[in-house]
Parts: sequence; structure tokens; C-alpha cells
Amino acid sequence: DSGVTQTPKHLITATGQRVTLRCSPRSGDLSVYWYQQSLDQGLQFLIQYYNGEERAKGNILERFSAQQFPDLHSELNLSSLELGDSALYFCASSVEGVGSETQYFGPGTRLLVL
Amino acid sequence: AQTVTQSQPEMSVQEAETVTLSCTYDTSESDYYLFWYKQPPSRQMILVIRQEAYKQQNATENRFSVNFQKAAKSFSLKISDSQLGDAAMYFCAYRSRYNNNDMRFGAGTRLTVKP
Repeated sequence: DSGVTQTPKHLITATGQRVTLRCSPRSGDLSVYWYQQSLDQGLQFLIQYYNGEERAKGNILERFSAQQFPDLHSELNLSSLELGDSALYFCASSVEGVGSETQYFGPGTRLLVL
Repeated sequence: AQTVTQSQPEMSVQEAETVTLSCTYDTSESDYYLFWYKQPPSRQMILVIRQEAYKQQNATENRFSVNFQKAAKSFSLKISDSQLGDAAMYFCAYRSRYNNNDMRFGAGTRLTVKP
């Protein structure tokens, strides 16, 4: 157990809908990262937050947004969902969010868009 | 942009034997970090081992060790005394020390362990 929690574990929804994925980092970690793992794109970095502020952006679509709250949990919002958004979404955390650190991954949320 | 290549989509090893998974990467940076993550059927991403590019000594964690060749941009993972629980997808990952903190993953190698 990495100490990172994600809810829900599974999510099934329809095209055009909006969903929110939630992540709680390890105790003491200030930085949260979101990744998408799909069959065709592999594992891709989406976005990083540090202590409530956006720090880095990767291949995140405009239909997706995220935020990190004062209690350091983070939410990833996916809107206008398409079939291709079906994937496993991981959250990871680290202490300071710098390149030297190891990121610890949560168990993931499996999203299925029908 | 940095890219990570795992040229072996699948590998197989006999229990108790040794197997090496390959990884190469492309970068113009001199300071970076390399990781191997394991993803078992539970889909959890588990850190196996990490290597700092400025360190010449190869990292070791119990039965897992790496062969880091900086000039060749190669970072292979050796698993000794393979166990059934080692069966998983293994991902090699590169992380820049300076550049927007994102991590790049290879496509993965599926390791099967035969009893």
C-alpha cells in the first residue's frame, strides 16, 4: 500500500457526461500528479499540483481540469466525455514535487465511457 | 522531448532464473532520474528501483539491480532468482530534474514467470 488513495475504483458513464475523480496524497506529501493509462497511448502525464498551485502540465485535454484543495487532496474533472477517454487514471504524490523525488502511485480509477 | 523505449513487449523466465529487461532513452540533459515500476494484475504501480544519472554506481534493491550506461543511454533491469510474484508489466520511466517535472514512461514489458 503506497498510502495514496483514489476514489472511486471504477466508474461507468456515458458519452457527453462529466465525472470527478478524487485523490488523497500520502501524509506529508505536498505534490500531486495525475496520469492517464490507455491501451493506445500508454502512460501519460496529465498535470501536477504543488500545495494548491498548478506546477506542470502535460498532455491534458482542454475538456479536463484539476485542482488541489487546502487539505491537499486533488480532484480531476473530466467533461464532455468521449469513448476514447476510457482509461485507468492514476494519481501519484511526492513530498516537494521536484525531479529528484520518487512518486508513489495510488491504485487508480478505471473509467469506462459507453 | 525525452522518449523512453522498451523494445521487448514480452519476456518469459523460468522460476529461480535471471532475466534482464531492456530500456533505452533519448535526452539531451545531463541530470535526470530513471525508474522501473512494476504493474501487477491489480494495476497498482509499484516502484521497483530508481537511479540518479549523476551516480555511476548501479542501484540495487534485493533481487533487483540495474545496469545503467549513461553514454549509451541504456537502463536495463535485472531480476535474479525470479519468483512467481514477479510476473507483471514493467515500465521504465525517465524524469528530468529541471524540465517541468513530468515523467515519461516506456510502453512496458510483460514478464511471465514459469513454474
